[in-house]
Amino acid sequence: AQSVTQPDIHITVSEGASLELRCNYSYGATPYLFWYVQSPGQGLQLLLKYFSGDTLVQGIKGFEAEFKRSQSSFNLRKPSVHWSDAAEYFCAVGARAAGNKLTFGGGTRVLVKP
Amino acid sequence: DVKVTQSSRYLVKRTGEKVFLECVQDMDHENMFWYRQDPGLGLRLIYFSYDVKMKEKGDIPEGYSVSREKKERFSLILESASTNQTSMYLCASSFGQGTYNEQFFGPGTRLTVL
Repeated sequence: AQSVTQPDIHITVSEGASLELRCNYSYGATPYLFWYVQSPGQGLQLLLKYFSGDTLVQGIKGFEAEFKRSQSSFNLRKPSVHWSDAAEYFCAVGARAAGNKLTFGGGTRVLVKP
Repeated sequence: DVKVTQSSRYLVKRTGEKVFLECVQDMDHENMFWYRQDPGLGLRLIYFSYDVKMKEKGDIPEGYSVSREKKERFSLILESASTNQTSMYLCASSFGQGTYNEQFFGPGTRLTVL
């Protein structure tokens, strides 16, 4: 069965600074990988996804993520954080064998300092 | 835009009550999902459905049941609510059978069981 670990529960970053959120997955074959964001009081919104091909994936809101098979990682990055990026971020893994099911990590809450 | 709506944003119930959480999507999606979200645990899949009248257990189905009588509607039922079912419940939907597509989420229902 697949699993996802997000090692950082909370991250505080200053506005304008860079942000990197870590995600490690466990799955025997090539996974489908996703990053979702949940703003306060909102449902989850897809930031980006990786299925195959180029390992550097561009998403919405200026985010990108890099798939590294050798490290079983799919870290999310943003070069310059805005106050509106304060939210909770979830990494998820899916697999065709799992029948469209997603397994989510525990989430990372990002606080942005002025 | 895909819209997934949930019947209540906040719900307070008493132990032993039967609770219905309703979810409706307007994009003719085949797949629908119910998750619960708890701090530090991320989202955990309760039940999902690939088609009308079809349902499959997720990772934590105990204490829950579901109903899908119409394609657009997926209901989560707590037969006898307990305090450990106090949580945020998220509904999601996605398109496609046997292929992997983005899940679209509703805003969530925060359920408190007293």
